[in-house]
Amino acid sequence: GENVEQHPSTLSVQEGDSAVIKCTYSDSASNYFPWYKQELGKGPQLIIDIRSNVGEKKDQRIAVTLNKTAKHFSLHITETQPEDSAVYFCAASNHNQGGKLIFGQGTELSVKP
Amino acid sequence: NAGVTQTPKFRVLKTGQSMTLLCAQDMNHEYMYWYRQDPGMGLRLIHYSVGEGTTAKGEVPDGYNVSRLKKQNFLLGLESAAPSQTSVYFCASSYGGVYYNEQFFGPGTRLTVL
Repeated sequence: GENVEQHPSTLSVQEGDSAVIKCTYSDSASNYFPWYKQELGKGPQLIIDIRSNVGEKKDQRIAVTLNKTAKHFSLHITETQPEDSAVYFCAASNHNQGGKLIFGQGTELSVKP
Repeated sequence: NAGVTQTPKFRVLKTGQSMTLLCAQDMNHEYMYWYRQDPGMGLRLIHYSVGEGTTAKGEVPDGYNVSRLKKQNFLLGLESAAPSQTSVYFCASSYGGVYYNEQFFGPGTRLTVL
């Protein structure tokens, strides 16, 4: 089955700096890669996603890149702000298999003012 | 719309007791999921459903059962709780299909088994 590895487990940056979180996956059949943000005491919320037919996607300060050959994808946050502090999860899915997500272990991002 | 709601928010059980967690969604979603979240392990899929009356096993199904009698509800049951089932449980739902993959999560249920 699919396995997703996420690094780093914790990340601390200064406000205004960039943050990068990386994930690798094992199943070449995976074709959908979302990123979720989880704030303390809440459920995860989708912030950006990418499909296997696209190499990069951007939404304001957030971007995701996908390298299918190497089976890895990354989240890039530019101009970080204190409200970006949260736990971020990557996930992989094959939409032909009930849409079930296999999550990475999570990255706790801390943005220091 | 309330989105995805979970009942209860907190629960403490003794080993061997049973309980049912209720998930409800008002978005007319076809697919529903139950995950558990443990420190350092991300979220792991317990069971899921791709439509009313259907259920399927996820990554960690042992010790849990589910039912999807109505489209809007997805129940997770623990027949004989064990301390290893202490966790935060999240329910999620999605429209399903090829292009509607976003899963919407509930606020979670924190379960402690003593």
